Amino acid sequence: ETGVTQTPRHLVMGMTNKKSLKCEQHLGHNAMYWYKQSAKKPLELMFVYNFKEQTENNSVPSRFSPECPNSSHLFLHLHTLQPEDSALYLCASSQDAGSDTQYFGPGTRLTVL
Amino acid sequence: QKEVEQDPGPLSVPEGAIVSLNCTYSNSAFQYFMWYRQYSRKGPELLMYTYSSGNKEDGRFTAQVDKSSKYISLFIRDSQPSDSATYLCAGVTDKLIFGTGTRLQVFP
Repeated sequence: ETGVTQTPRHLVMGMTNKKSLKCEQHLGHNAMYWYKQSAKKPLELMFVYNFKEQTENNSVPSRFSPECPNSSHLFLHLHTLQPEDSALYLCASSQDAGSDTQYFGPGTRLTVL
Repeated sequence: QKEVEQDPGPLSVPEGAIVSLNCTYSNSAFQYFMWYRQYSRKGPELLMYTYSSGNKEDGRFTAQVDKSSKYISLFIRDSQPSDSATYLCAGVTDKLIFGTGTRLQVFP
């Protein structure tokens, strides 16, 4: 596997479910990101991790809970989501946090019923 | 006002056309700008970045920044059907601030 991988690629869940999104980067980077991409809206930065430490939480509701066990893996735990949370969730990594070039995974298409 | 504004399109052009994709921005603190390309069902991939006012060329692609008018452009020469994608511009401070993306369709 190369680059940034994300699983699952598609997820349908009910509002009472709990699920997790997984991201893995094979680039030796130190920073990882979660973004939300909705139709006709800009990419929204959700969370930033640098050397496994969360450095940014962009006012994201607590029903989204990130976890970064090491520099290569990033999770987004989801619980009691709302239909408006349906979107493409993109993971990215960069050598270091901030203005470095970011490399994106293919995303998880999430539908909340 | 959004920090980076971009017409969502779609922009539909014939193969071989010169394409102009544009963004305006309001944040004077942007240090440089990036263009990402996103194919359907894929994540964005970096196309080009440019630091200062002026042009930067890479093959069929030219990125242009006009800081006085807060305007950035991406030109694609001899466009191909394989260029059909969404093009995202981003301004960079300590993080990337993206526009909505412009969907481009190049038909044969």
